[in-house]
Amino acid sequence: EAQVTQNPRYLITVTGKKLTVTCSQNMNHEYMSWYRQDPGLGLRQIYYSMNVEVTDKGDVPEGYKVSRKEKRNFPLILESPSPNQTSLYFCASSLSKGGYNEQFFGPGTRLTVL
Amino acid sequence: GENVEQHPSTLSVQEGDSAVIKCTYSDSASNYFPWYKQELGKRPQLIIDIRSNVGEKKDQRIAVTLNKTAKHFSLHITETQPEDSAVYFCAASIQGGGTSYGKLTFGQGTILTVHP
Repeated sequence: EAQVTQNPRYLITVTGKKLTVTCSQNMNHEYMSWYRQDPGLGLRQIYYSMNVEVTDKGDVPEGYKVSRKEKRNFPLILESPSPNQTSLYFCASSLSKGGYNEQFFGPGTRLTVL
Repeated sequence: GENVEQHPSTLSVQEGDSAVIKCTYSDSASNYFPWYKQELGKRPQLIIDIRSNVGEKKDQRIAVTLNKTAKHFSLHITETQPEDSAVYFCAASIQGGGTSYGKLTFGQGTILTVHP
């Protein structure tokens, strides 16, 4: 089944404790992206990747890191989480070459930073 | 960069009524406008999209219109049903060609409630 998976789905942590949220897709998509969803603000892009070893900042990158060592995986790293990073996080992927390409979203990760 | 404004933030209708959600965008280079539906506790899923070379697109009870001159696009849902209750997001993007970008800029979302 074609899908985007994220882990963990729920995470409660404390300020300053490094964490990683994993994202994986099995559709051979070049483009992957991380969004955070906050009430009244919609979905805001954190980082995106056009292909392996190619990443760039989105609209709200502060406090986050990403890597793209393999095409299928795009982990989101919070080196020193703070309470303002409490949010719902979505990973998404799509083809990136040609055409008008639908983005497929993962199930979401609800993060609480105390 | 692109900025997308979406209105209203909440919309309440009776079953069978029509619902309209409107979005405006700022970047005239944007050429792809998808709409996503997010049910409670679920992921956003594409329900319809429109490209800049088309003024209107329909899929059963949903339709999207695009006015490139005014830089706004709208989602129309007719004969609403309780299962249409969800959060709806519009988005704008520059896509197509050999260097497809793919970045979606989303609106703030509209919470649609359809009362039986």
